Amino acid sequence: DTGVSQDPRHKITKRGQNVTFRCDPISEHNRLYWYRQTLGQGPEFLTYFQNEAQLEKSRLLSDRFSAERPKGSFSTLEIQRTEQGDSAMYLCASSFIFGTGDSPLHFGNGTRLTVT
Amino acid sequence: AQTVTQSQPEMSVQEAETVTLSCTYDTSESDYYLFWYKQPPSRQMILVIRQEAYKQQNATENRFSVNFQKAAKSFSLKISDSQLGDAAMYFCAYRSAYNTDKLIFGTGTRLQVFP
Repeated sequence: DTGVSQDPRHKITKRGQNVTFRCDPISEHNRLYWYRQTLGQGPEFLTYFQNEAQLEKSRLLSDRFSAERPKGSFSTLEIQRTEQGDSAMYLCASSFIFGTGDSPLHFGNGTRLTVT
Repeated sequence: AQTVTQSQPEMSVQEAETVTLSCTYDTSESDYYLFWYKQPPSRQMILVIRQEAYKQQNATENRFSVNFQKAAKSFSLKISDSQLGDAAMYFCAYRSAYNTDKLIFGTGTRLQVFP
């Protein structure tokens, strides 16, 4: 169990540029979540996958945001035409859902995005 | 919609002492889960303790225990024998038992531990 891995740790970009983040969940975990955390706030849910299917998207996820999880393994979160309001920590988490039970959510270290 | 409120932005405690962090939540659901997560300066969120709403017994994990008051919709975290390594942001979180898709977090409490 190597934990949830996120890349990069930090990203600085200019307004209007596109950015892509990657998350590698714990290998046997079938659920993967993206959260966004701004300074002084708790994480806010963005979207989640069960295997390769994206099952829910928050209203926070505007059409500039897209997430994928091809083959139900790693996931990418892309932000197009970045805005200064996108500056935040983007957290990935994974868990294993079985029947009516589930494992605890394991979080990665996050990707800190700064849009200048 | 469910909400989670943490009314203490910052708390401090002396090493070896006990501190209690407060959390209240609002929901119309009868079955749910409550969590406390710790986020140290290294940023990775770690689960501290979990409580199922249908269980009357308060959860305990070593030095961490909760006071779950379902009628009052209150879920406080008690840290006994505080250690320097307990210094972190602590987040209270709610998850519905009817759909397991997301956690709803409070705004967090920053805990400082003084030697």
